[in-house]
Amino acid sequence: GDSVTQTEGPVTLSEGTSLTVNCSYETKQYPTLFWYVQYPGEGPQLLFKVPKANEKGSNRGFEATYNKEATSFHLQKASVQESDSAVYYCALSAGNTGKLTFGDGTVLTVKP
Amino acid sequence: GPKVLQIPSHQIIDMGQMVTLNCDPVSNHLYFYWYKQILGQQMEFLVNFYNGKVMEKSKLFKDQFSVERPDGSYFTLKIQPTALEDSAVYFCASSSTGGMDTLYFGAGTRLSVL
Repeated sequence: GDSVTQTEGPVTLSEGTSLTVNCSYETKQYPTLFWYVQYPGEGPQLLFKVPKANEKGSNRGFEATYNKEATSFHLQKASVQESDSAVYYCALSAGNTGKLTFGDGTVLTVKP
Repeated sequence: GPKVLQIPSHQIIDMGQMVTLNCDPVSNHLYFYWYKQILGQQMEFLVNFYNGKVMEKSKLFKDQFSVERPDGSYFTLKIQPTALEDSAVYFCASSSTGGMDTLYFGAGTRLSVL
């Protein structure tokens, strides 16, 4: 079946430093790739998605490129802020049901 | 943005009893999902539902679980009977067209089975 593997957490950074969260995936189909973010007491919410290989998605300074050859979708941000502290999930959707397969999540804490 | 509402936010129940978790999906969405998250662990797919039918379910969706959405009302997850290992946060989600569409999640119902 489908699977997603991402950087194990927790990750602690100082404000203004750069972030990379690695994500790799396995599927026999043609996936759409997602990054979701989850804040305490809330459900996951979409950060951005990329349906096509070799394209980039971005939102709020976060970005990731859908690398089909490497089966990767690494999340990056040049300068993190304290408000970015949350859990980040890489996920994929393949097939026509819309089912999302999530990675384990990466807990990010940004210190002022 | 679109909102998915889940009721209640926290449910405490004795092992062996029945529980129903309620979800009010985004208006006009046609695809519905339940996910299970044990504290600090990953989001695990349980089931998806479209046009009155279960489309796909995981191994976590035990025989004691059932879902329905009678007459366009709440999308519900029923567990009967409950077991200790059912303690978790259950997230409902909905999407408009399935496929590569975005899933919108509720805030979750924390189920504590004693």
